[in-house]
Amino acid sequence: GENVGLHLPTLSVQEGDNSIINCAYSNSASDYFIWYKQESGKGPQFIIDIRSNMDKRQGQRVTVLLNKTVKHLSLQIAATQPGDSAVYFCAENTPTREDTDKLIFGTGTRLQVFP
Amino acid sequence: DAGVIQSPRHEVTEMGQEVTLRCKPISGHNSLFWYRQTMMRGLELLIYFNNNVPIDDSGMPEDRFSAKMPNASFSTLKIQPSEPRDSAVYFCASSLAPRTGSLAYEQYFGPGTRLTVT
Repeated sequence: GENVGLHLPTLSVQEGDNSIINCAYSNSASDYFIWYKQESGKGPQFIIDIRSNMDKRQGQRVTVLLNKTVKHLSLQIAATQPGDSAVYFCAENTPTREDTDKLIFGTGTRLQVFP
Repeated sequence: DAGVIQSPRHEVTEMGQEVTLRCKPISGHNSLFWYRQTMMRGLELLIYFNNNVPIDDSGMPEDRFSAKMPNASFSTLKIQPSEPRDSAVYFCASSLAPRTGSLAYEQYFGPGTRLTVT
């Protein structure tokens, strides 16, 4: 039968437009955040990361914004291309005790790019 | 650079059988992670190693699951006995972390092993 699973939010954008994918994280003690892209049938691929002492970091066509006040992370993709179509995950890293961390992934957002 | 290598890519087995998943991390990386991805629960960290030593196995679902890392270039995730609810995609990832137990660095994922238990 059908699997009742996570309902991924979907963002549909037109090719060439900018995309903004949002993520709310859970722990105010988290000190490191990562965005991953996962294409169908493949493993997650690192896009960009940011540490908690920063509020913005830019890469090639991507920008990550961190708002620690409201525990919000966003990924901006400029001039979205068909190859950007994938599921995007945010992940937060929380120090739990000395010398160990805990990495928690969000449920993901599906980005669909149409011509 | 071959990246993280996982084998097999697909595994179909019957309930009760032992399943062994294999991973070769990127050469020079000192941390290795095992994840499970399902539609119901998303991506979950099962266990991670630093310098071949298990650091945190709190994500391992139950005693049927075990993981080993006998050397810096090889790790296994074993399920014995397997159950249908273990069906998922299992990912291995590696990173170069400057301190023991640190997850706060870029992880490189393998292509995954799709496990189906009937």
